[in-house]
Amino acid sequence: QVQLVESGGGVVQPGRSLRLSCAASGFTVSSYGMHWVRQSPGKGLEWVALISYDGRSKYYADSVKGRFTISRDNSKNTLYLQMNSLRPEDTAVYYCAKGPGFGYYFEYWGQGTLVTVSS
Amino acid sequence: SYVLTQSPSVSVAPGQTARMTCGGDNIGSKSVHWYQQKSGQAPVLVVYDDSDRPSGIPERFSGSNSGNTATLTISRVEAGDEADYYCQVWDSSSDHYVFGTGTKVTVL
Repeated sequence: QVQLVESGGGVVQPGRSLRLSCAASGFTVSSYGMHWVRQSPGKGLEWVALISYDGRSKYYADSVKGRFTISRDNSKNTLYLQMNSLRPEDTAVYYCAKGPGFGYYFEYWGQGTLVTVSS
Repeated sequence: SYVLTQSPSVSVAPGQTARMTCGGDNIGSKSVHWYQQKSGQAPVLVVYDDSDRPSGIPERFSGSNSGNTATLTISRVEAGDEADYYCQVWDSSSDHYVFGTGTKVTVL
């Protein structure tokens, strides 16, 4: 059974950094594309980043490119999102999501972790 | 960047059919995926690749895609179907994943 559990959210001041984690079980993260998707309070869904199944390719939304870094630790079966130079508009619930074996969608989602950027 | 437009809300009585659309330039040439998000919960995939259903999703959920509009249809609506629904595509020109603005389905 696929399970994704995010952690690392909290309140952080603008300009500071935070690292989110997503512990996976029921499958191997190194075999699938893995994503981060966020949702600002009361707003819609926004794709943030993707790491390809082989880890060689990483893609980012324009809104976070140059500030956020997606990575994974295969030995821990865990996905990460390093967020630097945080802005108030980065305030959101951050979900990790598993891609399918083939296709461009989000097959399974975690429950999310809330990041609040505020002074 | 590619834009997906959804109607803000749909209201439907129990047992009736709810239809919601997702508009985009020549969206019929792309694969469209749909997610259900109930209040306070994570999204759940309900339709992928225009019209396929993941295991565990009732047959009442169906999708179609042609021209500039994709449609998600919920037949025999139940109270438990009340949620926000988002469409999503992959934009090959930018390697970005794009979500629609979302449709709130209210069961009367």
